[in-house]
Amino acid sequence: KTQVEQSPQSLVVRQGENCVLQCNYSVTPDNHLRWFKQDTGKGLVSLTVLVDQKDKTSNGRYSATLDKDAKHSTLHITATLLDDTATYICVVGDRGSALGRLHFGAGTQLIVIP
Amino acid sequence: EAAVTQSPRNKVTVTGGNVTLSCRQTNSHNYMYWYRQDTGHGLRLIHYSYGAGNLQIGDVPDGYKATRTTQEDFFLLLELASPSQTSLYFCASRPTGMGEQYFGPGTRLTVL
Repeated sequence: KTQVEQSPQSLVVRQGENCVLQCNYSVTPDNHLRWFKQDTGKGLVSLTVLVDQKDKTSNGRYSATLDKDAKHSTLHITATLLDDTATYICVVGDRGSALGRLHFGAGTQLIVIP
Repeated sequence: EAAVTQSPRNKVTVTGGNVTLSCRQTNSHNYMYWYRQDTGHGLRLIHYSYGAGNLQIGDVPDGYKATRTTQEDFFLLLELASPSQTSLYFCASRPTGMGEQYFGPGTRLTVL
């Protein structure tokens, strides 16, 4: 059963526009939530990690929120660039797992067009 | 910055072939993991280990063996590769406790 759902599956925006990616999860108990950027066929690049019950982070043009009560996170990308074209993956850490289990979303594919 | 390396970065084999994917971490981390990534799925855990000589089964272990020869090295073995094992494979390591997992760059495996 998928425990991390991301939406939309794919998104096309014009360069310079803002966009919002969503992540809903059912992992219990939840520890932290991390957003990764993955260029096609490449490795995972961590963008930000959220840990608090109600958390907000900012990393340049990327900002993220987490609400553990709602089990919901958002990733905002401001003033998109062509290089933002990638898949964005939401990952939730399972606090109840001794092996440090991570639950991965399938990703949102973002395409930025000129 | 934790370092996890994988080799080869790309591999093509034929059905029935024998493949070994290698992962090395130089961070003295106890935990190491092998994942596969396929379109439409999040990364899925194949095998993991919490120390040299230890091996644990993950969520999608069928068709895969693994071996942890040292604290640094974790290998994924496909003894009779099948086209369904065509995928992007990631290795990761993590220290004991609730530290984050550090991912390698991935190995693209194609089984013809």
